[in-house]
Amino acid sequence: SQELEQSPQSLIVQEGKNLTINCTSSKTLYGLYWYKQKYGEGLIFLMMLQKGGEEKSHEKITAKLDEKKQQSSLHITASQPSHAGIYLCGADNREGGSEKLVFGKGTKLTVNP
Amino acid sequence: DVKVTQSSRYLVKRTGEKVFLECVQDMDHENMFWYRQDPGLGLRLIYFSYDVKMKEKGDIPEGYSVSREKKERFSLILESASTNQTSMYLCASRKGGPGQPQHFGDGTRLSIL
Repeated sequence: SQELEQSPQSLIVQEGKNLTINCTSSKTLYGLYWYKQKYGEGLIFLMMLQKGGEEKSHEKITAKLDEKKQQSSLHITASQPSHAGIYLCGADNREGGSEKLVFGKGTKLTVNP
Repeated sequence: DVKVTQSSRYLVKRTGEKVFLECVQDMDHENMFWYRQDPGLGLRLIYFSYDVKMKEKGDIPEGYSVSREKKERFSLILESASTNQTSMYLCASRKGGPGQPQHFGDGTRLSIL
């Protein structure tokens, strides 16, 4: 079965610093989704990547899917306290039924002012 | 914007009670999902539904059942609540399959005493 591993598990940065979160898949990625979750709340959809080498940006957050489609990275430029939360990657599960997603366990980001 | 609404943000019940968690989406999505989220275990799929009155077991269906009588509403039922069902429950909906993100509600934090 497909598994997603996120690194690091947690990250503490000073406001204004750049950071990167990685999501590595055990199998080829056909659809990769990034979500953000504030503590105690639901997941907010950020971006979706499908093609090898694809890159998307929203405000100061950029997500990339590598050419081999087995790893994605999420990069935050000039981090702010509002970026704090848990970031999760999810992927289309080709084996288990196309409706389902497989999720990583998340990366907890703390941004200190 | 997609709106997924969960009936309660916080809920406290007693062991042995029958518990209903309700989820409504307003975008005519075919697929709806129930997850639970626990520290260290990430998101785990309990059940999902791909059409009215249709349901499929996820990874951890034991102790739960679901109901989908109308397209917009998906209910999770804890037949006889137990303390190990204390968790954060998240509902999601999705239009179609691969290439479409899941959209999540705000979550219900359920405590079973």
